[in-house]
Amino acid sequence: ETGVTQSPTHLIKTRGQQVTLRCSSQSGHNTVSWYQQALGQGPQFIFQYYREEENGRGNFPPRFSGLQFPNYSSELNVNALELDDSALYLCASSPPPPLTEAFFGQGTRLTVV
Amino acid sequence: QQQVKQSPQSLIVQKGGISIINCAYENTAFDYFPWYQQFPGKGPALLIAIRPDVSEKKEGRFTISFNKSAKQFSLHIMDSQPGDSATYFCAASKRAAGNKLTFGGGTRVLVKP
Repeated sequence: ETGVTQSPTHLIKTRGQQVTLRCSSQSGHNTVSWYQQALGQGPQFIFQYYREEENGRGNFPPRFSGLQFPNYSSELNVNALELDDSALYLCASSPPPPLTEAFFGQGTRLTVV
Repeated sequence: QQQVKQSPQSLIVQKGGISIINCAYENTAFDYFPWYQQFPGKGPALLIAIRPDVSEKKEGRFTISFNKSAKQFSLHIMDSQPGDSATYFCAASKRAAGNKLTFGGGTRVLVKP
């Protein structure tokens, strides 16, 4: 059984560009959530996908968007990158209810210059 | 609005000592309270979690104490070891809403040998 894997691990982009981050959920997990973790802070919830549908969104602008695929893997897309988007982006997968645990990947470190 | 407040921001403890981290929440609808451990450059790892129907949960050297009336919960790390040096995050969520986690700001723990 493999855990949550994210790619790439590091990325440098220029302000105004677009970026796509990828996440493979843990086997048997059908829910994927994305979080943004700025340096020295706790993770902030971006959005969640359940069975390929968005299932809740945090306080992030529409230029943050996502997808979930039939195999439950997921993508996070960010358009018109800003310097403040520099952060560690974390993906977490969760098993079907009633189980509640969320397991995180190692994250993608995005630097916007 | 910070719905989960965590303290202290950092603490130093001698090997063999007890580390205590406290969290307070505002949303009474929260019904799942996990703690995560994060090492530099890694994603958060689930350490231990509690639900509000119990006041204490122990797993090895880690204990969560929960006070529903005060809306507070804490993590105790007994017999702290240098390998416990990491950042610890408390979190809270509503299980019925898909377990979207609201994190505290984190506590950086340093265990001195």
